[in-house]
Amino acid sequence: DIQMTQSPSSLSASVGDRVTITCRASQGIRNDLGWYQQKPGKAPKRLIYAASSLESGVPSRFSGSGSGTDFTLTISSLQPEDFATYYCLQHNNPPCTFGQGTKLEIK
Amino acid sequence: QVQLQESGPGLVKPSQTLSLTCTVSGGSISSDGYYWNWIRQRPGKGLEWIGYIYYSGSTYYNASLKSRVTISVDTSKNQFSLKLRSVTAADTAVYYCARDYFHGFDIWGQGTMVTVSS
Repeated sequence: DIQMTQSPSSLSASVGDRVTITCRASQGIRNDLGWYQQKPGKAPKRLIYAASSLESGVPSRFSGSGSGTDFTLTISSLQPEDFATYYCLQHNNPPCTFGQGTKLEIK
Repeated sequence: QVQLQESGPGLVKPSQTLSLTCTVSGGSISSDGYYWNWIRQRPGKGLEWIGYIYYSGSTYYNASLKSRVTISVDTSKNQFSLKLRSVTAADTAVYYCARDYFHGFDIWGQGTMVTVSS
């Protein structure tokens, strides 16, 4: 199975900050990676697909980059509604595997 | 637009079988290219993919659960289902159904909490 190592596991930041979350795959996955946002009691919501494509309706402050084994999710200017948990997902080879999650908290 | 809705018992006794159904509305489960998935999230934990089914009936399961899992599809009802046998407390989780279309899971159900307890 492909392991996804996501960091950091938690992050404190302020409104307006720029934040970066990374995922590293244990082997190359081309660009078969997505980023998801999950708020308490809700299903995950996809923000980014194919490593860098923005889901329709998602604010442009979210961006993704990377290919192969190293991937990044960047939020350019944090808004109050962005405080949530974020997961990466690789779907290059079954089983699909998620990163461990990054909990983004208000400083 | 397409929506998914999970249904099934919220409480299952240890050693019994957990059974859930996902109803697809606003689109056909038989459309080419769509894979229909089950994913779970234990309390306070991350996401675990359980398996998928294609409308033709072909399946793929996570090896960690393969011996206990069956996913089936009923195209006439636009539904797919999960059965997890011999459950224990470790199977207590929120269970999600989700659609995969080339680029991972784009549409999710709201999730249903299943507790394993006597």
